[in-house]
Amino acid sequence: EVHLVQSGAEVKKPGESLMISCKGSGYTFTNHWIGWVRQMPGKGLEWMGIINPSDSQTRYSPSFQGQVAISVDKSISTAYLQWRSLEASDTAMYYCARHNRVTSSRWLDPWGQGTLVTVSS
Amino acid sequence: QSVLTQPPSASGTPGQRVTISCSGGSSNIDSNPVTWYQRLPGAAPKLLMYSNNQRPSGVPDRFSGSKSGTSASLAISGLQSEDEADYYCATWDDSLYGWVFGGGTKLTVL
Repeated sequence: EVHLVQSGAEVKKPGESLMISCKGSGYTFTNHWIGWVRQMPGKGLEWMGIINPSDSQTRYSPSFQGQVAISVDKSISTAYLQWRSLEASDTAMYYCARHNRVTSSRWLDPWGQGTLVTVSS
Repeated sequence: QSVLTQPPSASGTPGQRVTISCSGGSSNIDSNPVTWYQRLPGAAPKLLMYSNNQRPSGVPDRFSGSKSGTSASLAISGLQSEDEADYYCATWDDSLYGWVFGGGTKLTVL
């Protein structure tokens, strides 16, 4: 069975750095892009960016370009989402999801369980 | 402000049929198949519909999807209490070369 398992909740102070992870299992990790999605408290889902694990090429939403970095270590089937300097506004739940594609049809499935990031002084 | 537009809320009584709309534009819904996700309270989003109207294994046939032009909709018939959740439409945007989501619709079963 295909699974994405994310790292645990984090509590950080403004200005600190952070990397959260998303480990895939049950499939060939390099065959599917991995996307990251943010959900701020009480808000909807926002696409942050996507990475191709086979060559580490990334694509970011303009809203998140320069704010976060997405990377991957295909040797351990794990994708990462990283911040160099957190802000209080980064407080949110972050989800990873496997990007599936058949011709023009794309879908995100499965999703990781989410990583809650709290940034507070 | 989400790229795709959904009503913020919808409601119905058990057994009723409810429909959730999703509108977009030429670079997203008009050009690419639409997906729908269900987020139950306290849970991660789950794929509910892909390719406009295809249900993944395990999704009841009470759920159906459709698309026409720049709009899509999700219909839930025979509403049940366990359907109370947030529903999101999403699709690929060719201009953005990335995913765009609707703002989500909170479904309440009265």
